[in-house]
Amino acid sequence: GAVVSQHPSRVICKSGTSVKIECRSLDFQATTMFWYRQFPKQSLMLMATSNEGSKATYEQGVEKDKFLINHASLTLSTLTVTSAHPEDSSFYICSASYAGRQPQHFGDGTRLSIL
Amino acid sequence: QKEVEQDPGPLSVPEGAIVSLNCTYSNSAFQYFMWYRQYSRKGPELLMYTYSSGNKEDGRFTAQVDKSSKYISLFIRDSQPSDSATYLCAMSAGAGSYQLTFGKGTKLSVIP
Repeated sequence: GAVVSQHPSRVICKSGTSVKIECRSLDFQATTMFWYRQFPKQSLMLMATSNEGSKATYEQGVEKDKFLINHASLTLSTLTVTSAHPEDSSFYICSASYAGRQPQHFGDGTRLSIL
Repeated sequence: QKEVEQDPGPLSVPEGAIVSLNCTYSNSAFQYFMWYRQYSRKGPELLMYTYSSGNKEDGRFTAQVDKSSKYISLFIRDSQPSDSATYLCAMSAGAGSYQLTFGKGTKLSVIP
């Protein structure tokens, strides 16, 4: 089946650090990727939609200067959490779909802890 | 009223039981319906995918969609301890470039 790889799986860093998370579609071209955030015991909250070759679309309340998204190729999207603070600690998950079709496939997530 | 309603549980069943998980929704534009399984500290894993109304079976899993009632179900037969996870329903009005709307997830425990 379709595979989406997310890296790293776990990050622990100091406050003020910028952290980059990669999302790769391994066996298909993903024109659209999505970035989610998930708090403990809650469902996924969409942060932004990433389209290859164009600017990401951010959901209301998500700071685009805080969460930088780059989708430079059909197999790679990156999320950079800039100047991370403890409140940015969360589980970040990406998803991708083949050629814009359903269903979406998810990466295994990145657990970010800011000290 | 939220767009997608899903009982968060927790739901505990004995091994071998039939499990029924459900979601209701309010947006009649939804036409793509998915069930994902999420283990703790992992990303959601696609279990079942259905377009429009009808039933779909895959091994021990059966997904049902009733668009007239705005109601979807996932049945798990002969449940196993390895089925213990959170099950998320998700739906979309359009193709893969459309965002998914998720239920809150139902936490299932299958007791040996």
